[in-house]
Amino acid sequence: ETGVTQSPTHLIKTRGQQVTLRCSSQSGHNTVSWYQQALGQGPQFIFQYYREEENGRGNFPPRFSGLQFPNYSSELNVNALELDDSALYLCASSLRKNRGLDEQYFGPGTRLTVT
Amino acid sequence: SQQGEEDPQALSIQEGENATMNCSYKTSINNLQWYRQNSGRGLVHLILIRSNEREKHSGRLRVTLDTSKKSSSLLITASRAADTASYFCATANQAGTALIFGKGTTLSVSS
Repeated sequence: ETGVTQSPTHLIKTRGQQVTLRCSSQSGHNTVSWYQQALGQGPQFIFQYYREEENGRGNFPPRFSGLQFPNYSSELNVNALELDDSALYLCASSLRKNRGLDEQYFGPGTRLTVT
Repeated sequence: SQQGEEDPQALSIQEGENATMNCSYKTSINNLQWYRQNSGRGLVHLILIRSNEREKHSGRLRVTLDTSKKSSSLLITASRAADTASYFCATANQAGTALIFGKGTTLSVSS
């Protein structure tokens, strides 16, 4: 078990609604990344936050947005939910180093269902 | 697009047997990582191998890396029922800000 926690565990929303997912990073980590994992697929990178600023973004529309707080916890917000947004959302924390991207520590995920 | 692609997609073995999974990737890398995921839960980091390493061991795990062929393999020796999970390889994107995962290999170990 890593020290990364996510809430809620499960969530059911209706198409068009907005949702906020939360993540608490592992102690000592300064970087948080969010991934979306559809059923039967590998995780897809949404974005990364470092020192409270977005530090990289995957191929996701602007209705996916995020925040990182001074205590390195993070939120993922999704507006105007679509059925295809149904997935497992994973948060991963890491300690940014200059030598590239090393291991990331994942939380247990939030299962989002959009109906 | 997927950077890493695992092969096979699914693997079924008996307890005590060895399991080998392969991964191919497309671009140059700094390191390659393997993760395990149990039934829709979070991913657990297993092992990281750097581009200047050819082989690495961790307990019952052995990872090899062939940068000339852009491929890696993960060997789990003396498998146990608890090894049943999906296994993913991952490499960093060019900006070094994200891991790019393949679709994974689903391993089933029966007792």
